[in-house]
Amino acid sequence: AQSVTQLGSHVSVSEGALVLLRCNYSSSVPPYLFWYVQYPNQGLQLLLKYTTGATLVKGINGFEAEFKKSETSFHLTKPSAHMSDAAEYFCAVRSGYSTLTFGKGTMLLVSP
Amino acid sequence: SQTIHQWPATLVQPVGSPLSLECTVEGTSNPNLYWYRQAAGRGLQLLFYSVGIGQISSEVPQNLSASRPQDRQFILSSKKLLLSDSGFYLCAWSWGGQETQYFGPGTRLLVL
Repeated sequence: AQSVTQLGSHVSVSEGALVLLRCNYSSSVPPYLFWYVQYPNQGLQLLLKYTTGATLVKGINGFEAEFKKSETSFHLTKPSAHMSDAAEYFCAVRSGYSTLTFGKGTMLLVSP
Repeated sequence: SQTIHQWPATLVQPVGSPLSLECTVEGTSNPNLYWYRQAAGRGLQLLFYSVGIGQISSEVPQNLSASRPQDRQFILSSKKLLLSDSGFYLCAWSWGGQETQYFGPGTRLLVL
């Protein structure tokens, strides 16, 4: 069975600081990995995804993530946080035919 | 382009009352459709998914049911709501055979 662990239910950073949101996965098949962002009372928006090929994936809003098979990780980073980045972030892994298993989410708080 | 709609946006229902939430997708044909429930601190729980009209897979046994009467319409129902049914319900779609899912704006359900 596939699973996702997101370390830290809340992460706080200052505006301009590095953002690092951690995601580790377990998968019995070659993983397809995703990061989604959710703003309050809205649906989820795809930030980026890894399927095959280059292990460093760039997404929208300046975010990127690196697939590390040896560490079973897919951490999300952004060099410089903006206030508008404050939201909840979800990591997900392919878990079956067109289905995804999501982590419990990490709330990113950005202070001025 | 494709768009996904959910309604109502917010719903307050008494315990024991019926439920019907609707999701429709525009701009695509024969999509995979998904219903998720999101409870605070628990991430996203996949409830149902459908790969075609009349084809429903249930992921979690509960007092909810789903139906797909038309290609781009997905309905979540209950005959009698429980307090534990409160949450944020998200509908999503994907291209057939693809893992990337696109989410609707969600329905906030409060059962009192």
